[in-house]
Amino acid sequence: AQSVTQLDSQVPVFEEAPVELRCNYSSSVSVYLFWYVQYPNQGLQLLLKYLSGSTLVKGINGFEAEFNKSQTSFHLRKPSVHISDTAEYFCAVSPTGGFKTIFGAGTRLFVKA
Amino acid sequence: ETGVTQSPTHLIKTRGQQVTLRCSSQSGHNTVSWYQQALGQGPQFIFQYYREEENGRGNFPPRFSGLQFPNYSSELNVNALELDDSALYLCASSGAGTGYHNEQFFGPGTRLTVL
Repeated sequence: AQSVTQLDSQVPVFEEAPVELRCNYSSSVSVYLFWYVQYPNQGLQLLLKYLSGSTLVKGINGFEAEFNKSQTSFHLRKPSVHISDTAEYFCAVSPTGGFKTIFGAGTRLFVKA
Repeated sequence: ETGVTQSPTHLIKTRGQQVTLRCSSQSGHNTVSWYQQALGQGPQFIFQYYREEENGRGNFPPRFSGLQFPNYSSELNVNALELDDSALYLCASSGAGTGYHNEQFFGPGTRLTVL
């Protein structure tokens, strides 16, 4: 079985500051890793994914994430946030040979002017 | 290439009633998954359909059922609604086989309120 822990429920940050949203996972099998963003009253949009290869993954909107196998982490980072980045961010894992995607509880990023 | 669409956008039902939610998958995607997202929580996997057959189920009772049709549309049916069924219901489509890597494309969701 897999589980995902997002260590911060809310992250307030000032505009143009860097941000890191933390994600740890647990799994007994190989997994794919994802970050999704959800804007108010909308569905989820894929930000980036780790499948294999380079542990640093770049996504849309200037976000990137680093896969750390030894620490079973997949933290999301952005060097300079904008007001428009205010949203809910979800980390998710999916077994490479399976079908089920497990989501974390989400981190609300709030960017202040 | 059209995205994933869901209908209706909002729905209000009373306890004990039955509801059908609809999803139109992205063209060419033969796999659809349904999720329940309660307020303030992450999406919870309900079940997945692959080529019109249920491919796996999460920890949801049998009163949650689904159908998938050859035209890339699908339904989520919930019988005997309970207050705790109030949530945002998301469908997500994906391809299958090598090259897809379980990446899912989500619809905007249906907000169900049970009174």
